[in-house]
Amino acid sequence: KAGVTQTPRYLIKTRGQQVTLSCSPISGHRSVSWYQQTPGQGLQFLFEYFSETQRNKGNFPGRFSGRQFSNSRSEMNVSTLELGDSALYLCASSTVGTGGWETQYFGPGTRLLVL
Amino acid sequence: DAKTTQPNSMESNEEEPVHLPCNHSTISGTDYIHWYRQLPSQGPEYVIHGLTSNVNNRMASLAIAEDRKSSTLILHRATLRDAAVYYCILRASNFGNEKLTFGTGTRLTIIP
Repeated sequence: KAGVTQTPRYLIKTRGQQVTLSCSPISGHRSVSWYQQTPGQGLQFLFEYFSETQRNKGNFPGRFSGRQFSNSRSEMNVSTLELGDSALYLCASSTVGTGGWETQYFGPGTRLLVL
Repeated sequence: DAKTTQPNSMESNEEEPVHLPCNHSTISGTDYIHWYRQLPSQGPEYVIHGLTSNVNNRMASLAIAEDRKSSTLILHRATLRDAAVYYCILRASNFGNEKLTFGTGTRLTIIP
């Protein structure tokens, strides 16, 4: 079974631009979560989608948004980029998102640099 | 979410066992204890999880204290490939709680 894939792997943008990142979950997985990792804040939860609906949301401004398609693929969008948005963005998938005992599988991440 | 406390860093010699501790004194009765690790330049990967009983898998063992206020991840024979940041995470059992709350983790260095 193929793992979680994320595209692109690396991205350079300038302040004020917007960016869209893509995540393809493991086949059969319906829950997709997004995380931001920075040296200062560590790994932080952005949001989670299940059956095309946002089910959980972290403490990030509205510039960060996402969506999920009927095939469970997900995209996240960051508008009006700021220097502080430079980070590794990680996507994780799980089967139905029961929490507790379920395992999340992470992709390799997209490294975003904002200049 | 209940919080966990881990040492910032640990060192171990190659081919020796490693015991990574985690304190979670505010754990609730239905919280699962999960361990993930992040190797350099990779996304986190699942290691092991448990509820009350000790658990073993091909990667590691998880020893859970009787009062569940602490746990220990055991790598039986560390290799250089085990050098990573290890995260101890508590996960509530309610459906739809997919949020993983990562702490700062323990950076494990393996000495050849």
